[in-house]
Amino acid sequence: SAVISQKPSRDICQRGTSLTIQCQVDSQVTMMFWYRQQPGQSLTLIATANQGSEATYESGFVIDKFPISRPNLTFSTLTVSNMSPEDSSIYLCSVVGGGSKNIQYFGAGTRLSVL
Amino acid sequence: DQQVKQNSPSLSVQEGRISILNCDYTNSMFDYFLWYKKYPAEGPTFLISISSIKDKNEDGRFTVFLNKSAKHLSLHIVPSQPGDSAVYFCAASGGNQFYFGTGTSLTVIP
Repeated sequence: SAVISQKPSRDICQRGTSLTIQCQVDSQVTMMFWYRQQPGQSLTLIATANQGSEATYESGFVIDKFPISRPNLTFSTLTVSNMSPEDSSIYLCSVVGGGSKNIQYFGAGTRLSVL
Repeated sequence: DQQVKQNSPSLSVQEGRISILNCDYTNSMFDYFLWYKKYPAEGPTFLISISSIKDKNEDGRFTVFLNKSAKHLSLHIVPSQPGDSAVYFCAASGGNQFYFGTGTSLTVIP
């Protein structure tokens, strides 16, 4: 398996500000994913971050709102920009790794509340 | 369009009994299926998986069954323990795409 450290674990932010979430993996992985989970809903994929290339965003998510960095094979950041209360959610990073291309491993998540 | 569905948002089971969590999917091209367990304030933890070429996979108290003709997946936990109380997500993958259900909250009553 892969061990993922994600921080911050939670934050309360003011409307209009930005928050950067960090994700550190204990091994080199090609693909990292960023998800959002709103209350009572499934995990929604925001984007896929591959090292050395631009992140690929899913429908409904744009780079200006959720810029992603992937400087190396063990680290990625997701920024939630110009936040509004609708951005209040749990944000999760995950990787495919641990010897299996079919299994995703998740960080503990960042619980974001926007006032 | 929800490609993976968990129609039961919650389930309560007595300790020692069997817990059965269900999942339906729509895309016959999915080739791998997974179950995750999630405790509050933690990320989803991989539990068990099954390839589309199999119909059953067992790991200790956990067994996953796959019925491809019905596009149905189930997780059996037996015997259920209070520590199994969590939200369970099913997931399906095809290529590099993963799709998750909305989760079923399992409560095991001591």
